[in-house]
Amino acid sequence: DAGITQSPRHKVTETGTPVTLRCHQTENHRYMYWYRQDPGHGLRLIHYSYGVKDTDKGEVSDGYSVSRSKTEDFLLTLESATSSQTSVYFCAIRGDRGQETQYFGPGTRLLVL
Amino acid sequence: QKEVEQDPGPLSVPEGAIVSLNCTYSNSAFQYFMWYRQYSRKGPELLMYTYSSGNKEDGRFTAQVDKSSKYISLFIRDSQPSDSATYLCAMTAGSGGYNKLIFGAGTRLAVHP
Repeated sequence: DAGITQSPRHKVTETGTPVTLRCHQTENHRYMYWYRQDPGHGLRLIHYSYGVKDTDKGEVSDGYSVSRSKTEDFLLTLESATSSQTSVYFCAIRGDRGQETQYFGPGTRLLVL
Repeated sequence: QKEVEQDPGPLSVPEGAIVSLNCTYSNSAFQYFMWYRQYSRKGPELLMYTYSSGNKEDGRFTAQVDKSSKYISLFIRDSQPSDSATYLCAMTAGSGGYNKLIFGAGTRLAVHP
Protein backbone atom coordinates (compact mmCIF):
# COMPACT_ATOMS: atom_id res chain seq x y z
CA ASP A 1 0.00 0.00 0.00
CA ALA A 2 3.08 2.23 -0.40
CA GLY A 3 2.77 3.40 3.22
CA ILE A 4 0.05 5.95 2.44
CA THR A 5 -2.85 6.66 4.73
CA GLN A 6 -5.70 9.09 4.22
CA SER A 7 -8.03 10.59 6.76
CA PRO A 8 -10.88 10.76 7.14
CA ARG A 9 -11.93 7.85 4.96
CA HIS A 10 -15.51 9.08 4.74
CA LYS A 11 -16.98 12.50 5.33
CA VAL A 12 -20.38 14.11 4.93
CA THR A 13 -20.51 17.87 5.13
CA GLU A 14 -22.73 20.76 4.19
CA THR A 15 -22.33 23.30 1.43
CA GLY A 16 -20.24 26.25 2.51
CA THR A 17 -18.29 24.53 5.24
CA PRO A 18 -14.50 24.14 5.12
CA VAL A 19 -13.10 20.64 4.82
CA THR A 20 -9.53 19.38 5.19
CA LEU A 21 -8.34 16.01 3.99
CA ARG A 22 -5.06 14.58 5.15
CA CYS A 23 -2.56 12.38 3.37
CA HIS A 24 0.26 10.80 5.36
CA GLN A 25 3.20 8.82 3.97
CA THR A 26 5.91 7.01 5.87
CA GLU A 27 8.60 6.56 3.20
CA ASN A 28 9.98 10.07 2.76
CA HIS A 29 8.82 10.52 -0.83
CA ARG A 30 9.41 13.94 -2.29
CA TYR A 31 6.46 14.12 -4.69
CA MET A 32 2.87 13.89 -3.48
CA TYR A 33 -0.37 14.37 -5.39
CA TRP A 34 -4.07 14.91 -4.81
CA TYR A 35 -6.57 13.56 -7.33
CA ARG A 36 -10.30 13.40 -7.53
CA GLN A 37 -12.14 10.54 -9.22
CA ASP A 38 -15.56 10.95 -10.75
CA PRO A 39 -17.59 8.66 -13.03
CA GLY A 40 -16.70 9.21 -16.66
CA HIS A 41 -13.71 11.41 -15.84
CA GLY A 42 -11.20 9.03 -14.41
CA LEU A 43 -8.54 10.51 -12.15
CA ARG A 44 -7.90 14.22 -12.38
CA LEU A 45 -5.02 16.01 -10.72
CA ILE A 46 -5.97 18.74 -8.26
CA HIS A 47 -2.62 19.81 -6.79
CA TYR A 48 0.78 18.31 -6.30
CA SER A 49 3.82 18.95 -4.13
CA TYR A 50 7.50 18.54 -4.92
CA GLY A 51 8.80 19.25 -1.43
CA VAL A 52 8.04 20.92 1.86
CA LYS A 53 6.19 24.16 1.15
CA ASP A 54 6.54 23.56 -2.61
CA THR A 55 3.21 23.01 -4.29
CA ASP A 56 1.58 23.69 -7.64
CA LYS A 57 -1.77 23.45 -9.36
CA GLY A 58 -3.12 20.59 -11.39
CA GLU A 59 -5.92 20.62 -13.96
CA VAL A 60 -8.88 20.98 -11.54
CA SER A 61 -7.51 23.20 -8.76
CA ASP A 62 -10.30 25.79 -8.51
CA GLY A 63 -11.88 25.71 -5.04
CA TYR A 64 -9.00 23.76 -3.52
CA SER A 65 -5.85 24.68 -1.65
CA VAL A 66 -3.03 22.54 -0.30
CA SER A 67 -0.27 22.73 2.24
CA ARG A 68 2.80 20.69 3.01
CA SER A 69 4.63 21.72 6.16
CA LYS A 70 6.27 18.31 6.68
CA THR A 71 7.55 15.77 4.17
CA GLU A 72 5.13 13.14 5.39
CA ASP A 73 1.90 15.18 5.34
CA PHE A 74 0.04 16.72 2.42
CA LEU A 75 -3.23 18.47 3.24
CA LEU A 76 -6.06 19.28 0.84
CA THR A 77 -8.52 21.98 1.88
CA LEU A 78 -11.86 22.84 0.40
CA GLU A 79 -12.30 26.39 1.66
CA SER A 80 -16.06 26.42 1.15
CA ALA A 81 -17.37 23.07 0.01
CA THR A 82 -19.82 22.87 -2.89
CA SER A 83 -21.92 19.95 -4.12
CA SER A 84 -19.71 19.73 -7.24
CA GLN A 85 -16.85 18.72 -4.93
CA THR A 86 -18.66 15.54 -3.95
CA SER A 87 -16.15 12.95 -5.10
CA VAL A 88 -13.62 10.36 -4.10
CA TYR A 89 -10.25 11.90 -3.32
CA PHE A 90 -7.00 10.01 -3.70
CA CYS A 91 -3.55 10.90 -2.55
CA ALA A 92 -0.56 9.49 -4.39
CA ILE A 93 3.20 9.46 -4.14
CA ARG A 94 5.73 9.18 -6.93
CA GLY A 95 7.58 5.92 -7.26
CA ASP A 96 11.27 5.38 -6.74
CA ARG A 97 13.88 7.41 -8.57
CA GLY A 98 13.87 6.60 -12.25
CA GLN A 99 10.33 5.23 -12.17
CA GLU A 100 7.58 7.28 -13.75
CA THR A 101 4.89 5.66 -11.63
CA GLN A 102 2.61 6.72 -8.83
CA TYR A 103 1.21 4.78 -5.89
CA PHE A 104 -2.16 5.59 -4.41
CA GLY A 105 -3.70 5.74 -0.99
CA PRO A 106 -7.04 4.17 -0.08
CA GLY A 107 -9.12 7.28 -0.81
CA THR A 108 -11.55 9.57 0.99
CA ARG A 109 -15.22 9.57 0.01
CA LEU A 110 -16.63 13.07 0.43
CA LEU A 111 -20.30 13.94 0.19
CA VAL A 112 -21.28 17.61 0.18
CA LEU A 113 -24.97 18.14 0.85
CA GLN B 1 -10.81 15.03 -27.74
CA LYS B 2 -9.30 13.45 -24.65
CA GLU B 3 -5.59 12.69 -24.63
CA VAL B 4 -6.32 9.13 -23.57
CA GLU B 5 -9.39 7.19 -24.63
CA GLN B 6 -10.53 4.03 -22.91
CA ASP B 7 -13.73 2.08 -23.47
CA PRO B 8 -15.62 2.19 -20.15
CA GLY B 9 -17.29 -1.19 -20.65
CA PRO B 10 -18.62 -2.89 -18.70
CA LEU B 11 -16.99 -6.01 -20.03
CA SER B 12 -18.44 -9.30 -18.83
CA VAL B 13 -16.61 -12.57 -19.50
CA PRO B 14 -16.77 -16.16 -18.23
CA GLU B 15 -14.08 -17.51 -15.96
CA GLY B 16 -11.09 -18.77 -17.93
CA ALA B 17 -11.56 -16.36 -20.84
CA ILE B 18 -8.81 -14.22 -22.31
CA VAL B 19 -9.52 -10.57 -21.70
CA SER B 20 -8.24 -7.72 -23.82
CA LEU B 21 -8.34 -4.16 -22.48
CA ASN B 22 -7.22 -1.24 -24.60
CA CYS B 23 -6.40 2.44 -24.61
CA THR B 24 -5.59 4.83 -27.41
CA TYR B 25 -3.77 8.10 -27.01
CA SER B 26 -2.93 11.15 -29.04
CA ASN B 27 0.31 12.51 -27.57
CA SER B 28 3.31 10.97 -29.31
CA ALA B 29 5.58 12.16 -26.46
CA PHE B 30 4.22 9.51 -24.08
CA GLN B 31 6.93 6.96 -23.29
CA TYR B 32 5.88 5.35 -20.03
CA PHE B 33 2.73 3.31 -19.81
CA MET B 34 0.95 1.84 -16.83
CA TRP B 35 -2.05 -0.26 -16.00
CA TYR B 36 -3.76 0.08 -12.66
CA ARG B 37 -6.36 -2.23 -11.16
CA GLN B 38 -8.97 -0.73 -8.89
CA TYR B 39 -11.30 -2.82 -6.80
CA SER B 40 -14.58 -1.31 -5.69
CA ARG B 41 -14.08 1.32 -2.98
CA LYS B 42 -10.29 0.91 -3.03
CA GLY B 43 -7.38 2.93 -4.37
CA PRO B 44 -5.80 2.15 -7.75
CA GLU B 45 -3.07 -0.48 -7.54
CA LEU B 46 -0.19 -0.53 -10.02
CA LEU B 47 -0.41 -3.70 -12.10
CA MET B 48 1.97 -3.25 -15.01
CA TYR B 49 4.59 -0.67 -15.98
CA THR B 50 6.31 -0.51 -19.36
CA TYR B 51 8.65 1.82 -21.12
CA SER B 52 8.41 2.54 -24.84
CA SER B 53 7.14 -0.11 -27.26
CA GLY B 54 6.99 -3.85 -26.82
CA ASN B 55 5.53 -6.45 -24.53
CA LYS B 56 5.89 -7.18 -20.86
CA GLU B 57 4.58 -10.27 -19.15
CA ASP B 58 3.86 -10.90 -15.49
CA GLY B 59 2.09 -14.12 -14.69
CA ARG B 60 -1.33 -14.08 -16.35
CA PHE B 61 -0.95 -10.45 -17.40
CA THR B 62 0.68 -9.11 -20.56
CA ALA B 63 1.04 -5.43 -21.36
CA GLN B 64 1.60 -4.44 -24.95
CA VAL B 65 2.55 -1.03 -26.33
CA ASP B 66 2.41 -0.04 -29.98
CA LYS B 67 3.72 3.50 -30.18
CA SER B 68 3.37 3.67 -33.95
CA SER B 69 -0.40 3.19 -33.57
CA LYS B 70 -0.61 5.02 -30.23
CA TYR B 71 -2.33 1.99 -28.76
CA ILE B 72 -1.75 0.02 -25.59
CA SER B 73 -3.31 -3.21 -24.43
CA LEU B 74 -3.55 -5.35 -21.33
CA PHE B 75 -4.24 -9.05 -21.78
CA ILE B 76 -5.44 -11.25 -18.95
CA ARG B 77 -5.17 -14.98 -19.52
CA ASP B 78 -7.26 -17.56 -17.67
CA SER B 79 -9.35 -14.79 -16.11
CA GLN B 80 -10.63 -15.35 -12.58
CA PRO B 81 -13.54 -13.85 -10.64
CA SER B 82 -10.91 -12.10 -8.51
CA ASP B 83 -9.91 -10.14 -11.64
CA SER B 84 -13.27 -8.36 -11.51
CA ALA B 85 -12.32 -4.71 -11.09
CA THR B 86 -11.91 -1.47 -12.99
CA TYR B 87 -8.73 -1.24 -15.04
CA LEU B 88 -7.18 2.15 -15.65
CA CYS B 89 -4.51 2.90 -18.19
CA ALA B 90 -2.11 5.76 -17.50
CA MET B 91 0.80 7.27 -19.35
CA THR B 92 3.34 10.03 -19.21
CA ALA B 93 6.08 11.61 -21.27
CA GLY B 94 8.41 11.44 -18.28
CA SER B 95 9.93 14.80 -17.56
CA GLY B 96 12.04 14.15 -14.51
CA GLY B 97 9.82 16.72 -12.87
CA TYR B 98 6.49 16.22 -11.24
CA ASN B 99 5.57 13.29 -13.46
CA LYS B 100 2.20 14.24 -14.89
CA LEU B 101 0.19 11.08 -15.45
CA ILE B 102 -2.74 11.09 -17.85
CA PHE B 103 -5.38 8.49 -17.05
CA GLY B 104 -8.01 6.77 -19.08
CA ALA B 105 -11.51 6.75 -17.60
CA GLY B 106 -11.24 3.06 -16.77
CA THR B 107 -12.84 -0.16 -18.05
CA ARG B 108 -15.03 -2.13 -15.68
CA LEU B 109 -14.46 -5.89 -15.96
CA ALA B 110 -16.69 -8.60 -14.51
CA VAL B 111 -15.52 -12.23 -14.61
CA HIS B 112 -18.34 -14.60 -13.76
CA PRO B 113 -17.87 -18.19 -12.57
